[in-house]
Amino acid sequence: EDQVTQSPEALRLQEGESSSLNCSYTVSGLRGLFWYRQDPGKGPEFLFTLYSAGEEKEKERLKATLTKKESFLHITAPKPEDSATYLCAVQAGGTASKLTFGTGTRLQVTL
Amino acid sequence: SAVISQKPSRDICQRGTSLTIQCQVDSQVTMMFWYRQQPGQSLTLIATANQGSEATYESGFVIDKFPISRPNLTFSTLTVSNMSPEDSSIYLCSVEGTGGHEQYFGPGTRLTVT
Repeated sequence: EDQVTQSPEALRLQEGESSSLNCSYTVSGLRGLFWYRQDPGKGPEFLFTLYSAGEEKEKERLKATLTKKESFLHITAPKPEDSATYLCAVQAGGTASKLTFGTGTRLQVTL
Repeated sequence: SAVISQKPSRDICQRGTSLTIQCQVDSQVTMMFWYRQQPGQSLTLIATANQGSEATYESGFVIDKFPISRPNLTFSTLTVSNMSPEDSSIYLCSVEGTGGHEQYFGPGTRLTVT
């Protein structure tokens, strides 16, 4: 059974304090690993797809990396507007597009 | 990316009643997905809905409890039947992007059952 574990559950950073969020996964034949951002009361917003170990994707202050067992979302010099829950999901080959999600990391960035 | 809307955005319902949630997409899509997000938990796939065929349900979800309609390529409904407080959750629909395997989500329907 596909499994996704995210850590930490919650993270509080000061503005400008860089850090990383972790997503560990077990899946039979990774088709893709996805990062989403979710603000309170809203649906998840797509950020990145990673397909193979060694791949990296960047968007503004966010950078996602992938190994064979885990993915990291690096946040460089965060701002208060980066505060949100960050979700990781995997899609296995042959599962007809099903996404298996982790429980997320709640990030709070303070001034 | 597709623009997805859901109705209602939230509702409070009494146990034993049913609620139908609508999902509208601004472009034609083959597959639509329905997820549940219970408080403090991750998103869980309920079913996949293809136009013109029966929905495919995940383990632990049954058609009698969560009937789904998919009348065309831009619209789907999910009904939560004979509700109990345990059905209190956020229900989200999603569609697959055209560029890859990512999914785009609607804003969700927050359901409270009393």
